[in-house]
Amino acid sequence: SAVISQKPSRDICQRGTSLTIQCQVDSQVTMMFWYRQQPGQSLTLIATANQGSEATYESGFVIDKFPISRPNLTFSTLTVSNMSPEDSSIYLCSVEGHLNTEAFFGQGTRLTVV
Amino acid sequence: GDSVTQMEGPVTLSEEAFLTINCTYTATGYPSLFWYVQYPGEGLQLLLKATKADDKGSNKGFEATYRKETTSFHLEKGSVQVSDSAVYFCALSGAAGNKLTFGGGTRVLVKP
Repeated sequence: SAVISQKPSRDICQRGTSLTIQCQVDSQVTMMFWYRQQPGQSLTLIATANQGSEATYESGFVIDKFPISRPNLTFSTLTVSNMSPEDSSIYLCSVEGHLNTEAFFGQGTRLTVV
Repeated sequence: GDSVTQMEGPVTLSEEAFLTINCTYTATGYPSLFWYVQYPGEGLQLLLKATKADDKGSNKGFEATYRKETTSFHLEKGSVQVSDSAVYFCALSGAAGNKLTFGGGTRVLVKP
């Protein structure tokens, strides 16, 4: 299994500011995924991040709001830009497992926007 | 597109009771199916998986069988413990790599 470290684990931010979340994996992976879990809700995929190319965003998510970097095969960042209280959620990084048959998740970043 | 439907919670049980969480899916092709568990204040952990029809995934006393004919992947445990209190998510991975589609989650509360 892959070990995924996310930073920060939680943060309280002022509206209008931006927060960058880091995701570090202990092995090289081709695909990394960013999910959002709104309070009491299930997980929704924000985007897929591949090294060397622009991230692919799901319907309802745009690059200006959620810019993503993927500089190498073990690291990615997600920025939540110009935050509003509606962005208060848990943001989770995920990577594919061995043989592409499963996915592993980081501990998540619990974001509260005030 | 792909979708996953699971029973709504919360499900409240006494210790040693039998647990079933229903999960059905809609997908093209032959998806892989998963159950993830989220303990309070933690991220998601893979509980079990099945990658083809009639496969049975099992872990920590939990079981689920991939039923293609009924497009279901119900989670069961014969005797729950207080430590099983968590939110359980059914998910599938379709043709587009490991992009997961999740069900709504089912909160389970086990009382002593």
